[in-house]
Amino acid sequence: GENVEQHPSTLSVQEGDSAVIKCTYSDSASNYFPWYKQELGKRPQLIIDIRSNVGEKKDQRIAVTLNKTAKHFSLHITETQPEDSAVYFCAVRKSGGSNYKLTFGKGTLLTVNP
Amino acid sequence: GAGVSQSPSNKVTEKGKDVELRCDPISGHTALYWYRQSLGQGLEFLIYFQGNSAPDKSGLPSDRFSAERTGGSVSTLTIQRTQQEDSAVYLCASSLSGGRDTQYFGPGTRLTVL
Repeated sequence: GENVEQHPSTLSVQEGDSAVIKCTYSDSASNYFPWYKQELGKRPQLIIDIRSNVGEKKDQRIAVTLNKTAKHFSLHITETQPEDSAVYFCAVRKSGGSNYKLTFGKGTLLTVNP
Repeated sequence: GAGVSQSPSNKVTEKGKDVELRCDPISGHTALYWYRQSLGQGLEFLIYFQGNSAPDKSGLPSDRFSAERTGGSVSTLTIQRTQQEDSAVYLCASSLSGGRDTQYFGPGTRLTVL
């Protein structure tokens, strides 16, 4: 089955700095790559996603890049703020067959220090 | 509108007891998913319901786990003869029609088995 590796597991940055989280996946049939943010005690919420027909997508301070050849994608957060502190999960979904099933990485705990 | 809701928010039970966890999806969403989130881990897929189709139970970890969805709406996840390793947060998600649609998560039920 699909295997998703997420790094780093923890990340601490100073307010205003950038943060980058990377995920690699194993199944070349994967074609949908969402990122979820989960604040402490809260539900995971979708913050950005990318589909395999594009290489980069940006939404204000958040961007996701995808390299299908290398089978990895990354979340970039610029000008970090304390409210960005949370656990971030990447996920992948493939086309065809069980194309509803998301396989998640183990998460990255991001701490933004004021 | 109302999001995905789950009950109870917390459940403490003794080893060997049965528990039932409830999920109310977003109104009109035909697809419903259950995930398990163990401490420090990502989200593990358990089961998927889509309309009147047979559910995908491939993620259920043992035959002590079962789920049903009555009337195409509310779902109940049942764990029989609970074990300590069942302790986790159980998350429910729904999407408009499965497949390519965004999954929206509920707040989860934290299960503690003593």
